[in-house]
Amino acid sequence: ETGVTQTPRHLVMGMTNKKSLKCEQHLGHNAMYWYKQSAKKPLELMFVYNFKEQTENNSVPSRFSPECPNSSHLFLHLHTLQPEDSALYLCASSFPGQGGNEKLFFGSGTQLSVL
Amino acid sequence: TQLLEQSPQFLSIQEGENLTVYCNSSSVFSSLQWYRQEPGEGPVLLVTVVTGGEVKKLKRLTFQFGDARKDSSLHITAAQPGDTGLYLCAGTYGNNRLAFGKGNQVVVIP
Repeated sequence: ETGVTQTPRHLVMGMTNKKSLKCEQHLGHNAMYWYKQSAKKPLELMFVYNFKEQTENNSVPSRFSPECPNSSHLFLHLHTLQPEDSALYLCASSFPGQGGNEKLFFGSGTQLSVL
Repeated sequence: TQLLEQSPQFLSIQEGENLTVYCNSSSVFSSLQWYRQEPGEGPVLLVTVVTGGEVKKLKRLTFQFGDARKDSSLHITAAQPGDTGLYLCAGTYGNNRLAFGKGNQVVVIP
């Protein structure tokens, strides 16, 4: 138990579906992240939020839409995805601004399959 | 271009054996982290090294940061099945950006 909870754990969706991934952290952190983990690739940073404000969008396609209503919750809204978007989506949180030594606490991830 | 190269990509050993995995780069990092990811779970931070030449120990795991802060190694002594997992290194560079390697998949056979 890392204090970061992601739901659902598994998701299968068609290319025309709309779905959302949810992340909640109980650690009192103020920074939250979305990462994509594909087989045989390094973790790819997608979005960063600090104190509810988006501070980084790593050139992510607009079919991925993040939302951060407060420092404890983070969503990733999905629509018209492609099969190559199938991956493990990881949420993480940390205290921001520690000079790059942020300790990331990850959730268990959502394994997404796009058919 | 991948910033961090981890080798070997896959390693299978018998319980009780020792192993070393590597994380290499041509870039200099202000700090480097090691995470372990077990099947079906997210990565869990094991250690952060900051100073060139630094050595940190976590029970049977020994982490070393290269003198030039471009590389790191993880040595496991007397590996146990519980050490099985994907070991990820992540380096901090530039404007506090964090880059991950692809990972070292370690399997310890009972």
